[in-house]
Amino acid sequence: GIQVEQSPPDLILQEGANSTLRCNFSDSVNNLQWFHQNPWGQLINLFYIPSGTKQNGRLSATTVATERYSLLYISSSQTTDSGVYFCAVELDDYKLSFGAGTTVTVRA
Amino acid sequence: EAGVAQSPRYKIIEKRQSVAFWCNPISGHATLYWYQQILGQGPKLLIQFQNNGVVDDSQLPKDRFSAERLKGVDSTLKIQPAKLEDSAVYLCASSARDSTYEQYFGPGTRLTVT
Repeated sequence: GIQVEQSPPDLILQEGANSTLRCNFSDSVNNLQWFHQNPWGQLINLFYIPSGTKQNGRLSATTVATERYSLLYISSSQTTDSGVYFCAVELDDYKLSFGAGTTVTVRA
Repeated sequence: EAGVAQSPRYKIIEKRQSVAFWCNPISGHATLYWYQQILGQGPKLLIQFQNNGVVDDSQLPKDRFSAERLKGVDSTLKIQPAKLEDSAVYLCASSARDSTYEQYFGPGTRLTVT
């Protein structure tokens, strides 16, 4: 099956710092989503981004489908950004295959 | 718009017991998914429904897990009998038949099997 690899596995940031999370996938996909799982376990959609760049506040994402990777940028990080960030690729029949996630800890 | 609802939020059972989880998707969403998330891993799809029909249940351990979606709305996931390795968070998600098919997740049910 398709491989979805996220890096780095863990990231510790000082409040106000910027960071980049990466998602590589091994085969062509129909689409890609980024999620944030908060400390209470709720998965929140961040971006639905098959290609190109999208921005939402301090977060932005870029997907280069031809090169099979996506990047999530966090700027001016806040403690509320802590949690696990998942990349999920959409396969046929709208099924999602998730990466293992990047655990982000933002310290005040 | 109300989100995906799940209950219970937490459940502790002994191995070999049975357990059931309930999910109510976002109103109008035709597609419903059940995922299993083991600690430290990403969610893994167990079963996908389109209305009340099963689209994919290839990763559902059918010897102990079952799921149904009556009337194409609510869904129930059952484990009988439970094993220690079933300890996980069970997430329900739904998506609409529109141009994006974004999936929206419920808060999950955390199951501990002792």
